[in-house]
Amino acid sequence: GESVGLHLPTLSVQEGDNSIINCAYSNSASDYFIWYKQESGKGPQFIIDIRSNMDKRQGQRVTVLLNKTVKHLSLQIAATQPGDSAVYFCAEEVSGTYKYIFGTGTRLKVLA
Amino acid sequence: DTGVSQNPRHKITKRGQNVTFRCDPISEHNRLYWYRQTLGQGPEFLTYFQNEAQLEKSRLLSDRFSAERPKGSFSTLEIQRTEQGDSAMYLCASSPPPRFSNEQFFGPGTRLTVL
Repeated sequence: GESVGLHLPTLSVQEGDNSIINCAYSNSASDYFIWYKQESGKGPQFIIDIRSNMDKRQGQRVTVLLNKTVKHLSLQIAATQPGDSAVYFCAEEVSGTYKYIFGTGTRLKVLA
Repeated sequence: DTGVSQNPRHKITKRGQNVTFRCDPISEHNRLYWYRQTLGQGPEFLTYFQNEAQLEKSRLLSDRFSAERPKGSFSTLEIQRTEQGDSAMYLCASSPPPRFSNEQFFGPGTRLTVL
């Protein structure tokens, strides 16, 4: 079936560097995309979202880019901090379904 | 704490036993979701409630699984005759009416271990 996937299972970055986590989605009917952060033993925590009528959205230290042409989503984290270490999931919502389809996750490791 | 709460946080049971988990959503969130997450994987959708109505169930939700939300507030997820393959984290999420937001707020999860 259609699903959301990630290119890299683990990403290691130096503290202070920028991080880019990528995600590919396959359902062209999806119109809402979300990035979640999940720390060990905790539930997913919302980071940022974007609707399909946008191609970029910025938050505090985070930016999400959406390329509908190639069905690609990315999360950019500026000045990565040790507290950013976690597993990051992208998720998509097919219009009107109200359920999220998650990818398998990328583990971000921040090196001191 | 006004977030989504789940109880218990951990449950260890023997194969064949029944278990029940509870989820208390954020107040005034009329939509509630259950997901299952296995190690290294993203959450997988199980079922969705709008108020007390169960509007969608995944094929993952076999006949041993049942979820309820009798008064449109808290929800329970019951697994009958548990199997080792049921071992996972069970996550609950809630969201407000769609006119406000589509964001789903997740609880801490209930980790089930079936021996």
